[in-house]
Amino acid sequence: KAGVTQTPRYLIKTRGQQVTLSCSPISGHRSVSWYQQTPGQGLQFLFEYFSETQRNKGNFPGRFSGRQFSNSRSEMNVSTLELGDSALYLCASSSDRYNEKLFFGSGTQLSVL
Amino acid sequence: GENVEQHPSTLSVQEGDSAVIKCTYSDSASNYFPWYKQELGKRPQLIIDIRSNVGEKKDQRIAVTLNKTAKHFSLHITETQPEDSAVYFCAASLGNTPLVFGKGTRLSVIA
Repeated sequence: KAGVTQTPRYLIKTRGQQVTLSCSPISGHRSVSWYQQTPGQGLQFLFEYFSETQRNKGNFPGRFSGRQFSNSRSEMNVSTLELGDSALYLCASSSDRYNEKLFFGSGTQLSVL
Repeated sequence: GENVEQHPSTLSVQEGDSAVIKCTYSDSASNYFPWYKQELGKRPQLIIDIRSNVGEKKDQRIAVTLNKTAKHFSLHITETQPEDSAVYFCAASLGNTPLVFGKGTRLSVIA
């Protein structure tokens, strides 16, 4: 099976712009989670989708949003980018009922200038 | 909500020695505790996990122990090798709640 695929791999944006990141989960996985990774801060949970419904949401401002499509692919959007949004955004999919065993993608490295 | 503290933030060991990384969690109801390994420039990967009804689990050179009373769990790596060098993350969750991760431990194995 192909792993979790994230596109693009790298993005450079300027403050105020918006960005859309894409994630294709492992075939058959219905749950997709998004995490923000910054140096020294570990992985901060953004949101989780299951069967096109947002099941959990982390403590991030409303500028961060996401969605999941009927084929389980997911997108996250960040509007009005700020310098502090520079980070590695990781997507993970899971096949288990409780979304425990996560399979991560390689991430999208976002740089906001 | 759940909060996970991880120590140390960096750890250097000589090849062949053991390494121990410790995590504490705040929510006594948490029942699932995985460990992820992230090599430089690569994605995090699950290496071992434990549930609250088990005190210890081993897989070759790695083991995880859980102390529910003290609300802490640890990763033990024996006979460390250079390829063990990576950042290790612990995490905790309950049922259908998202995994809450620690801030990571950068392990360096010196040959």
